[in-house]
Amino acid sequence: GAVVSQHPSWVICKSGTSVKIECRSLDFQATTMFWYRQFPKQSLMLMATSNEGSKATYEQGVEKDKFLINHASLTLSTLTVTSAHPEDSSFYICSASFGGDGYNSPLHFGNGTRLTVT
Amino acid sequence: DQQVKQNSPSLSVQEGRISILNCDYTNSMFDYFLWYKKYPAEGPTFLISISSIKDKNEDGRFTVFLNKSAKHLSLHIVPSQPGDSAVYFCAASSPGNQFYFGTGTSLTVIP
Repeated sequence: GAVVSQHPSWVICKSGTSVKIECRSLDFQATTMFWYRQFPKQSLMLMATSNEGSKATYEQGVEKDKFLINHASLTLSTLTVTSAHPEDSSFYICSASFGGDGYNSPLHFGNGTRLTVT
Repeated sequence: DQQVKQNSPSLSVQEGRISILNCDYTNSMFDYFLWYKKYPAEGPTFLISISSIKDKNEDGRFTVFLNKSAKHLSLHIVPSQPGDSAVYFCAASSPGNQFYFGTGTSLTVIP
């Protein structure tokens, strides 16, 4: 089946540093990948839609200069949290779909990255 | 504004019995619905989906029911097994738009 690999699974960093999270589709090409954030006991909130070869589309309220997204190839999207602060501590999950924008096609998720900023 | 709601944060069921997880939505434009299962520290795993042209979809022990007039869907697991213990998220989308997720229901199946 489809596999989405996300790395690292957890990271601890100091306030002010930057952290890069990678998301790879291992056995299919994903023109579109999605980045979610999950707070404890809350639903998955879409942060941005990553499009291969073009700029990411950010959801309202998400700082594009803070959460840099690069979709360098059909199998790799990266999320960089720049100048991280403790309030950025969260669980970040990427996903991709066979069906491009995911319409009428389920999303396949990576295992997530637990970011802790001290 | 929470467009997809799961009002029960947790549910406990005896092994072998039926588990029923509920989900309500507010957007009448939603036409594709999914259930995901999530274990701690892992990403969600797709379980089953249903499009708005159907009112029922079955896959093994899992059945999803859709009531469009009530804007309600449910996931039935029968018989429930201890390995089904996880957090279950429902999600919905409309054409060309993002998926909206509920807050999840933590299911515990008691052996």
